[in-house]
Amino acid sequence: EVRLEEAGGRLVQPGRSLRLSCAASGFTFDDFAMHWVRQGPGKGLEWVSGITWDGGRTGYADSVTGRFTISRDNARNSLYLQMNSLTTEDTAFYFCAKDILGGSGWYGIFDSWGRGTQVTVSP
Amino acid sequence: DIQMTQSPSSLSASIGDRVTITCRTSQSVNNYLNWYQQEPGKAPKLLIYSASSVQSGVSSRFSGRGSGTDFSLTINGVQSEDFVTYYCQQSFSSPWTFGQGTKVDI
Repeated sequence: EVRLEEAGGRLVQPGRSLRLSCAASGFTFDDFAMHWVRQGPGKGLEWVSGITWDGGRTGYADSVTGRFTISRDNARNSLYLQMNSLTTEDTAFYFCAKDILGGSGWYGIFDSWGRGTQVTVSP
Repeated sequence: DIQMTQSPSSLSASIGDRVTITCRTSQSVNNYLNWYQQEPGKAPKLLIYSASSVQSGVSSRFSGRGSGTDFSLTINGVQSEDFVTYYCQQSFSSPWTFGQGTKVDI
């Protein structure tokens, strides 16, 4: 069974940094692209960032480009999101999601999700 | 970025009804269109991918159709557990974008 468990969310002040992590199990982690998707309070879903199986290709939403960095450690079956220069607009539940595609690319189809971690940015 | 427009934003139905939700994209996405279901306080669940392929383990009462810019999700015989929120999402080009959601109420 695929399991994704996010951690690291907390209350943080604007302008500060935070690092989220996602521990994966139940599948061959280094076979799949991975993503972060967020959901603001009472809002819809927003794709934040994605990374291919080997970290060779990454992508970001315009709203986080230059501030967030996605990475992965295949030896630890872990995905990360380094978030810098946080603003109140970044307040959201952050989900880790597995891409449906194995191999060298990504499909942008999210077939398994973690339960999420709450990030609150407030003075 | 590809814009997604779902309609309606909410709808009311009774158990056993047939419900259809539509999704329109701002440019053609071929058949790279997916549907997710989200219960309150839970992670989304993939229902349909590539416009009409039902994800493993998903009930056959869910079906999807469409191509290009116009798509639909149909629930044949709505059950009590189906009264939640549904999102469409395009996987044609990054950044991957979602519709604003459709809440199905009893």
